Amino acid sequence: NAGVTQTPKFQVLKTGQSMTLQCAQDMNHEYMSWYRQDPGMGLRLIHYSVGAGITDQGEVPNGYNVSRSTTEDFPLRLLSAAPSQTSVYFCASSEVTGAQPQHFGDGTRLSIL
Amino acid sequence: TQLLEQSPQFLSIQEGENLTVYCNSSSVFSSLQWYRQEPGEGPVLLVTVVTGGEVKKLKRLTFQFGDARKDSSLHITAAQPGDTGLYLCAGKPSGGTSYGKLTFGQGTILTVHP
Repeated sequence: NAGVTQTPKFQVLKTGQSMTLQCAQDMNHEYMSWYRQDPGMGLRLIHYSVGAGITDQGEVPNGYNVSRSTTEDFPLRLLSAAPSQTSVYFCASSEVTGAQPQHFGDGTRLSIL
Repeated sequence: TQLLEQSPQFLSIQEGENLTVYCNSSSVFSSLQWYRQEPGEGPVLLVTVVTGGEVKKLKRLTFQFGDARKDSSLHITAAQPGDTGLYLCAGKPSGGTSYGKLTFGQGTILTVHP
């Protein structure tokens, strides 16, 4: 019973590099989202998807891209990494229309040097 | 962006004590959720409250949604070391689809000492 799986768990990048954070869920949930968690700021929504082929921006989308080609996968791409993107990134899914995230992955800890 | 203020930010208590965490806003929410997060893991959903005045109990945890749906509280009775963690509230703004406008509080770090 995997739930939401994120890879990698840790990553260090240099400024200007690009990378993709992977997220997969095996619960057939339509709704998936990406958050970043920074000290003292709670979780902030980056992008979300209400189903395959549909994505939209959240509160802090700049510098990130997403795509949703399948129900299971929702990768997050950093186009040109900046130190301000150092954070812990969480992927989440929900089965109910318009609901808050029900299941979170264990996060990717990303450091940009 | 609608703000959710959590208080206190830090709470350090002895096993067996009771505690309350508050989540306040000047805005109305159609629903509010509480999560618990342990170090190195993602948040785990504890409860969703949707009706003003609603009270939900989960073992020693009691959650209440304010009558005006602007605030919520989490009360833990006889806290145990296993309750240690970061507690987060999150609100869905009232009106519209608003899936993309979910608001999280800053969190309350609870430490329960044996």
